[in-house]
Formats: sequence, structure tokens, C-alpha cells
Amino acid sequence: AQKVTQAQTEISVVEKEDVTLDCVYETRDTTYYLFWYKQPPSGELVFLIRRNSFDEQNEISGRYSWNFQKSTSSFNFTITASQVVDSAVYFCALRPFSGYALNFGKGTSLLVTP
Amino acid sequence: GAGVSQSPRYKVAKRGQDVALRCDPISGHVSLFWYQQALGQGPEFLTYFQNEAQLDKSGLPSDRFFAERPEGSVSTLKIQRTQQEDSAVYLCASSPENYGYTFGSGTRLTVV
Repeated sequence: AQKVTQAQTEISVVEKEDVTLDCVYETRDTTYYLFWYKQPPSGELVFLIRRNSFDEQNEISGRYSWNFQKSTSSFNFTITASQVVDSAVYFCALRPFSGYALNFGKGTSLLVTP
Repeated sequence: GAGVSQSPRYKVAKRGQDVALRCDPISGHVSLFWYQQALGQGPEFLTYFQNEAQLDKSGLPSDRFFAERPEGSVSTLKIQRTQQEDSAVYLCASSPENYGYTFGSGTRLTVV
């Protein structure tokens, strides 16, 4: 069985603050992929990152960074110097290496105010 | 088009009515997925197509839900005798090789 938990339902920050979105997962698979998606008010899911379970290197892309820790089954997402345009719902998802369906968490709603 | 297109964008149905939701995937994408997203929840898997073959329909909540992709491109999700619990956003995603998923903007279904 697979499960993704995003314990933070809503987060509100002021522009330029750093914010970390937590993601904890459960899986019996030894190889898997982890994803983060952004869902703005328009509704489409925008792909942010995919991570292989055998690659624990942290990744940085501009103001975004991801911290993957297999030992604690966590894949946290940090936005540095947040902007109003970052306001959205963010989803963490898990997929077995040999599977195809994404298992999503319930999402974290981020509100960045000026 | 460049992305996954879903229509209609919004649908209001009376309870008991049949509805059909359309998904136009990115041209050439082999894999197509349908997800259901209830209010305040994450998307949940409904069904998966590889070309015209429906390889997994384990997520369809009841036999009132039916999906098809007869020519391996456009897909239709049909819901018969809609119930209030069917109210949700229905998301379609396509992928060239079951690896990178591109999602559409979804169809918001409201059953009244």
C-alpha cells in the first residue's frame, strides 16, 4: 500500500519569506518516483519535479529546492523568497518504479500576501 | 494544441442525468489517465489507457462510470445516472511513455 501525507493543510506567509512544504510517504516498494505538482486557481496541475528513490541528492531550481531523505521517508519542498505568484495548492505524489498511477497527498494550500 | 484539452470546463447536471467528459491528449502520447479530485482533496486515479487499450480501471468508483479511447487519441469519461457524490473535478493527463505527465485543466462537475 502507498500513502502520501501532507500534514500542512494551509500555510500563509508574507512575500519574501521562505516557506517549506512537508511531504511524508509510505511504500513497500524499494524503487519509486516522487513528484511535486503546483495547482494554481486555473486548475491544471503543473509539474515541478520528479525524483528517483535511488537518487538522494537534493535539488535546487531557482527559488525552489527539494530535500529528499529516504531514512525518514520525506520529500520536502522549500520556496525561498516567496512571491505572490507562488500562491497555489501544492501536491506531493508517489509512483512505483514499475507502475503508472500517481498517488497524491491531500495538498497544501499556500497563500503569499504582499 | 500544445497541451491536454478538456471539455466542457464546467458541467452542471441534474441528479440522474448522464454526462460525458472529453479529453484531447497531446498528439502522439501513448498513455492517458483519468483522475477524480474532490473538493479539498488530492487527485485520485480512476483509469489508465495505453493507446486504445484500457489497462486499468480499478479506480472507477462504480459501474456507472465508463471510459473509452476508441482510436487511441481522444478519450471520453461517461457517468451514468449521476449522483451528488460524483461532484468533483475530473482531470485528464497524458504521457508519451508513462513517465512525464501533462495534465489538463479539468472538468468541474456539479450534480444538483
